[in-house]
Amino acid sequence: GAGVSQSPSNKVTEKGKDVELRCDPISGHTALYWYRQRLGQGLEFLIYFQGNSAPDKSGLPSDRFSAERTGESVSTLTIQRTQQEDSAVYLCASSEDRGNSPLHFGNGTRLTVT
Amino acid sequence: AQTVTQSQPEMSVQEAETVTLSCTYDTSESDYYLFWYKQPPSRQMILVIRQEAYKQQNATENRFSVNFQKAAKSFSLKISDSQLGDAAMYFCAYFEYSNYQLIWGAGTKLIIKP
Repeated sequence: GAGVSQSPSNKVTEKGKDVELRCDPISGHTALYWYRQRLGQGLEFLIYFQGNSAPDKSGLPSDRFSAERTGESVSTLTIQRTQQEDSAVYLCASSEDRGNSPLHFGNGTRLTVT
Repeated sequence: AQTVTQSQPEMSVQEAETVTLSCTYDTSESDYYLFWYKQPPSRQMILVIRQEAYKQQNATENRFSVNFQKAAKSFSLKISDSQLGDAAMYFCAYFEYSNYQLIWGAGTKLIIKP
């Protein structure tokens, strides 16, 4: 079946502009995660959605970052007034539940802020 | 706070030989999961192997096996008969039930020499 799909694959934007990143999880997966990965570094947790529960936003680095998800479908990560420090790969992952089920990742969106 | 440490930023191995990637973690929990994920240049994170802490038997997936030392809080990944396609970043991750978070190591870059 289809895996996790992210779009766009690459995004170049000017400092100060807003960007929206999209994630289509695997159908039936109730859990959805957003991570940020700076060049040569590990994964930095941003936000987590589980079904219709309130999201875990504890990883969002500032109020410029927000994310939405409707039910168990598509999620969008929005970064407002982008800064050069926001340049990174943004990875989305989904899993069957919030337990120990393995995460299935998309190919990520490489964001470059000029 | 729980942490995951991968002390080898980069490792190289000759094709067909065996290599071991190290991972240590810090926790006061007794029940948890440990994962190794692989990230090739395509950026997509792929699950390599998973270990349940309450199982003493080391997990194995074809050429990939782990050496899980619970008392030492060590979780190393052994890759046998290394292949060119194994070249990637390898991330160790720890899942804890207390806050349902997946904690990631910084990664090890594995280079396969032909």
